[in-house]
Amino acid sequence: EPEVTQTPSHQVTQMGQEVILRCVPISNHLYFYWYRQILGQKVEFLVSFYNNEISEKSEIFDDQFSVERPDGSNFTLKIRSTKLEDSAMYFCASRGTVMNTEAFFGQGTRLTVV
Amino acid sequence: GESVGLHLPTLSVQEGDNSIINCAYSNSASDYFIWYKQESGKGPQFIIDIRSNMDKRQGQRVTVLLNKTVKHLSLQIAATQPGDSAVYFCAEDYNYGQNFVFGPGTRLSVLP
Repeated sequence: EPEVTQTPSHQVTQMGQEVILRCVPISNHLYFYWYRQILGQKVEFLVSFYNNEISEKSEIFDDQFSVERPDGSNFTLKIRSTKLEDSAMYFCASRGTVMNTEAFFGQGTRLTVV
Repeated sequence: GESVGLHLPTLSVQEGDNSIINCAYSNSASDYFIWYKQESGKGPQFIIDIRSNMDKRQGQRVTVLLNKTVKHLSLQIAATQPGDSAVYFCAEDYNYGQNFVFGPGTRLSVLP
């Protein structure tokens, strides 16, 4: 069964450092998303991406965040200068079509900023 | 802004009983809803979905009900099993598929 894969599973970084979280969406999917989940809280939308550009982003997705699909298979989330409050699980998701189909989620990357 | 919410943050049921998890939504323009299951340390896993032109949809041991009049969504799990213990989220397809809005989640605990 096709699945969304994310690497690494756990990333520890020092405050102020840059991190890149990687995702390989399901092949032939066209819509890509990043969500985050602070421990014990709900899943929050960060950004959606289609046709090599951002479709929508939330208030959380400020200038410190960026996304890229560099090679047609990977979908990355970069945080330029991490803060303690960026510590969370980050989930990548992909979707074949935008309307009325489920999004498939990866297993997540646990980011710990120390 | 408009959002999806849940009535019950926790739910404990006896193994073999039926479970009902509820969700309220406020965006009347949303036309697609999904229930996700999240086990500890894992990503959300699709359970069942429903389009707004339906009021009921059944899967294997699960049923989703949609009441557009009161903007209410529920997930029914028949014969709840220990493996059903998880956090359940409803998600609302918001802004024509540009993102999903998740509810706060309900933790389901299955008692032996």
